[in-house]
Order: sequence, then C-alpha cells, then structure tokens
Amino acid sequence: DAKTTQPPSMDCAEGRAANLPCNHSTISGNEYVYWYRQIHSQGPQYIIHGLKNNETNEMASLIITEDRKSSTLILPHATLRDTAVYYCIVIPIRGNQFYFGTGTSLTVIP
Amino acid sequence: AAGVIQSPRHLIKEKRETATLKCYPIPRHDTVYWYQQGPGQDPQFLISFYEKMQSDKGSIPDRFSAQQFSDYHSELNMSSLELGDSALYFCASSLLDEQYFGPGTRLTVT
Repeated sequence: DAKTTQPPSMDCAEGRAANLPCNHSTISGNEYVYWYRQIHSQGPQYIIHGLKNNETNEMASLIITEDRKSSTLILPHATLRDTAVYYCIVIPIRGNQFYFGTGTSLTVIP
Repeated sequence: AAGVIQSPRHLIKEKRETATLKCYPIPRHDTVYWYQQGPGQDPQFLISFYEKMQSDKGSIPDRFSAQQFSDYHSELNMSSLELGDSALYFCASSLLDEQYFGPGTRLTVT
C-alpha cells in the first residue's frame, strides 16, 4: 500500500519553479524516497531518489526534511513538457514493489 | 541509450483468449518487473524476477503467469482473458535500485 500523501493536482507557470510536496510520515530508516513521472499513458520516467541528503540531477532537485517525514521535488524551470502525473514512492533499499499511489497531476501553464 | 523494449505495443483479444506480452530489459539489467495500469488508475505491481527467479509477487491474478529467460527477457502469459484485463502493461528493468520503464503494451479485451 502507498505510504505517501501528495496533493492531487497543482498548476505552475511556464518558466517558474514547480515545487511538488510529498508526505511520508511513516518512512523507515532503510527506505528511499523516489520520484517518477508519467506523461499521458507513457511509461513512468525515473526522476530522482534520495535517502537522507538533498539530491540534484539534470532534471530536478529533491529536498528531504531532516526528520525525513516529507520531501519536495523541485523542477527549477518548468516547461510545458513537464505536464505529467508525478509520483512520490517510498521503498526499502533493494525493495521490489513500487506502490505508485495517486500522485500529483502537474499542469504547466503557458 | 538503450531502453526497455516491449512487444507488441498494442494487442486486441477476445474474452477467454490467451495473450503473451514480451519484455526485453536494458542490457546488463538483471531484474524485470511487470505492472498493470487500468484506465484512469495508477500502475499496480504484478510480479518481478531477479536472475531468472521470481523475486516478488504483487496483485497478479492466478490466470496470469510470467517467467524470465536465460537472456533476461521476460514474458507475461495471460489466459482466460476478461474484459477487466484491458489495461496498459508496463515492464521495467533495473540493475541497482532505479527501475526503468518500457513504453507499455496496450491490451484491449473485447
């Protein structure tokens, strides 16, 4: 079962930063936070993941609170192509089952 | 970079027929996962294989079976198809923890 809570939908103006929150208050010490996105019926796309420290890659930044009970995915300069459903997933190290939950539907507005 | 390949991309079957979906993982990836995504729903984990052995099982119906072959490709066999089996079926592969998804097979049961 999903261990995360995300807002069902968000809007973001094109060119602005999109900040997508995720609550995972029951996360365990050996569980990662993963972010994926799905653009209309395409295969889910890996974005970023982290355990304790903040992470950044070419797509996004992941900010994890010190108590690890919540995190924020940041898309620094949202484009229309970032319109998608974003999933925050908590999974143990070497875990197999991704529970996608309901995700956040992000709409980037021109 | 090479991605996960799924075939066929689209499949139409009648009730009570059988279907076989194929997945070719990214080269050197040793783990394969299968997910089902019904219309308007989130992806649901079905089953996974690591080094040709079943490693985890989710909500896979008894009518479905899967296996991973010596070349690491995987097949999902679905028998006695029902209307409710109409869905997108995604395969993902991994070497470490990140799962990389294929484009999916859209199965329509009429």
